[in-house]
Amino acid sequence: SYQLTQPLSVSVALGQTARITCGGDNIGIKNVHWYQKKPGQAPVVVINRDGNRPSGIPERISGSNSGNTATLTITSAQAGDEAEYYCQVWDTIVIFGGGTKLTVL
Amino acid sequence: QVQLVESGGGVVQPGRTRGLSCAASGFSFSNSDMHWVRQAPGKGLEWVAFISSDERNKYYADSFKGRIAISRDNTKNTLYLQIYRVTIEDTAVYYCAKEGGSSGWFDHWGQGTRLSVSS
Repeated sequence: SYQLTQPLSVSVALGQTARITCGGDNIGIKNVHWYQKKPGQAPVVVINRDGNRPSGIPERISGSNSGNTATLTITSAQAGDEAEYYCQVWDTIVIFGGGTKLTVL
Repeated sequence: QVQLVESGGGVVQPGRTRGLSCAASGFSFSNSDMHWVRQAPGKGLEWVAFISSDERNKYYADSFKGRIAISRDNTKNTLYLQIYRVTIEDTAVYYCAKEGGSSGWFDHWGQGTRLSVSS
């Protein structure tokens, strides 16, 4: 079955740029969606269909997808960005990546 | 605004059956495809099941091996999940989620209901 691979953790200095990757076989031909998950809260979609930002999501957050890697980019990282981030695709069934813990230092 | 409110969690003994519900409001439930997603303690998000708006199509994660059943009542704007023969590994927060579009993403989630399986 199709698998998505994310790094367990990413650290970024306050105000710097964080990049979280999501690897999958030829993922570039799929629609990739990204969710932010904070403890005790429901997940929130931050990027859908590779690079589309839902209303209310700041322009600091962007997404790209090509080849075997999709990437979520957060510029000017803030303390409030600390969370787990999950990529997701639909490949006959819904598949989530394992999640990446983003730490803002 | 869109609201999804799950219920039915709590403590259940292994081997029993548990039903979860998700009450929807603020959107056209009968025209929306819906999903269940769970998160076990210390684990990531795990997709559980899908049901189309007209209930014709249902898909399940392979890991449940036929132990679950998703359904809906469009007259009551409610989504359901039955879990049969629960195990310790079913301990998790269960979320219902509304599909946002044809690309299979979730635009709204409930706050979740916590199910604990313990003897």
